[in-house]
Amino acid sequence: SAVISQKPSRDICQRGTSLTIQCQVDSQVTMMFWYRQQPGQSLTLIATANQGSEATYESGFVIDKFPISRPNLTFSTLTVSNMSPEDSSIYLCSVSGQGSYEQYFGPGTRLTVT
Amino acid sequence: DQQVKQNSPSLSVQEGRISILNCDYTNSMFDYFLWYKKYPAEGPTFLISISSIKDKNEDGRFTVFLNKSAKHLSLHIVPSQPGDSAVYFCAASGASGTYKYIFGTGTRLKVLA
Repeated sequence: SAVISQKPSRDICQRGTSLTIQCQVDSQVTMMFWYRQQPGQSLTLIATANQGSEATYESGFVIDKFPISRPNLTFSTLTVSNMSPEDSSIYLCSVSGQGSYEQYFGPGTRLTVT
Repeated sequence: DQQVKQNSPSLSVQEGRISILNCDYTNSMFDYFLWYKKYPAEGPTFLISISSIKDKNEDGRFTVFLNKSAKHLSLHIVPSQPGDSAVYFCAASGASGTYKYIFGTGTRLKVLA
C-alpha cells in the first residue's frame, strides 16, 4: 500500500479564516479522496479529487467552501474556507489504485475552529 | 438516513477470545465491503474486504462474513489481542459508483488482558 502523509497534522484556527491541508502520496495513484470525520461521527466523503480537472463533490459539499486541487498523481490539497466552529473535524485523504476497490488513508488533520 | 449501521458502539472481549463486530446495510445494490481499524490520532487502517460474490474472506486472524439476504456482515477476530483495541469501521460501496464508500458509525473494541 502507498505511504500517505498530510500536513498539518493539527491546527487551531479562528472563525472566518481558511486552512489548506496537503496530502502527499509516495507513488502515483489513480484516485484521491477527501473525507471528514466530525466529533463522534463516521467518515463522510467530501469529494473525489480529479487530476487536472475540477473535483467531484458529494451532496452537501460545495466547491466554494471546500476547494480542492490535484495538480498531479501524487498530491492534492483541500481548503476549508471561511471556517466556523462546525468545521471542527478530522479531515482525511485517501487513495486507491487502478482497478482496486481498497482505499488507504492518510493520518488525518485535526482541525479546531474557535 | 444511515445506509450502513454498526449498532454496537462498544464491545469488550477477553484476550484470546473471539471478537465479533457487526454491520448492517440497507441498500441491496452495495456490492463491495471494507473493514477498517482506527487508533486515536491516526487514519483508518485497511483490514480486510469482501465482494458480494463471496460469503467469506479470511486473512490471518481476521475473517469477514457476508449474508446478502440479511444485508449483514460481520468481522471475526480470533484470537483477540490487546493491540486489537481500536475503533472498527465497516464501509460499503456499489450503489452509486465503485469508489464511493459509505461508512458505518464505528464500534469501539476493547480487548482486556
